[in-house]
Amino acid sequence: KQEVTQIPAALSVPEGENLVLNCSFTDSAIYNLQWFRQDPGKGLTSLLLIQSSQREQTSGRLNASLDKSSGRSTLYIAASQPGDSATYLCAVRNSGGSNYKLTFGKGTLLTVNP
Amino acid sequence: NAGVTQTPKFQVLKTGQSMTLQCAQDMNHNSMYWYRQDPGMGLRLIYYSASEGTTDKGEVPNGYNVSRLNKREFSLRLESAAPSQTSVYFCASSVLEPQHFGDGTRLSIL
Repeated sequence: KQEVTQIPAALSVPEGENLVLNCSFTDSAIYNLQWFRQDPGKGLTSLLLIQSSQREQTSGRLNASLDKSSGRSTLYIAASQPGDSATYLCAVRNSGGSNYKLTFGKGTLLTVNP
Repeated sequence: NAGVTQTPKFQVLKTGQSMTLQCAQDMNHNSMYWYRQDPGMGLRLIYYSASEGTTDKGEVPNGYNVSRLNKREFSLRLESAAPSQTSVYFCASSVLEPQHFGDGTRLSIL
């Protein structure tokens, strides 16, 4: 059974700092990995999607990397801003079987202080 | 530009009452999903629908039923609500990836 772990559970940083959020998964047979953002009282918004054949994806100040063999992904946020404050979730889709199913981590709550 | 719309946003039920959570999407997506989000548990898939007329159980289907009424709408029904079903429920839709989420229904069962 796939398990996804996110470390740390919470992170507080001053504005302008570069930061890294970590995601690990137990089964390396994945189809893709996604990073989502969730604001309080809202649904999830997809940030980056990395296919299993890719090593990284970039969108603006966000960069996500994937090391499938070691079961790890990182989300790098450059020059953090207060507006980046949210919960960040990692989710993997396994290859084969019930391939519509996403397994989510519990998230990292990020607070960026002005 | 509505995306995925869930109704109601909040609801309080008594144990044993029934209720239907509604979800509609305007993006012409084939696949729709129902998740629940609980503190310390992350998001868990309740039911999934690949297309109109088809549904599949997810990780935690017990106590729930679903109806894919048409391509736009996917409803979740609690026949006899239990306190363990207190949660935030999210509906999502997609072609493949990524999934697009609604803002959730916050459901409390007393």
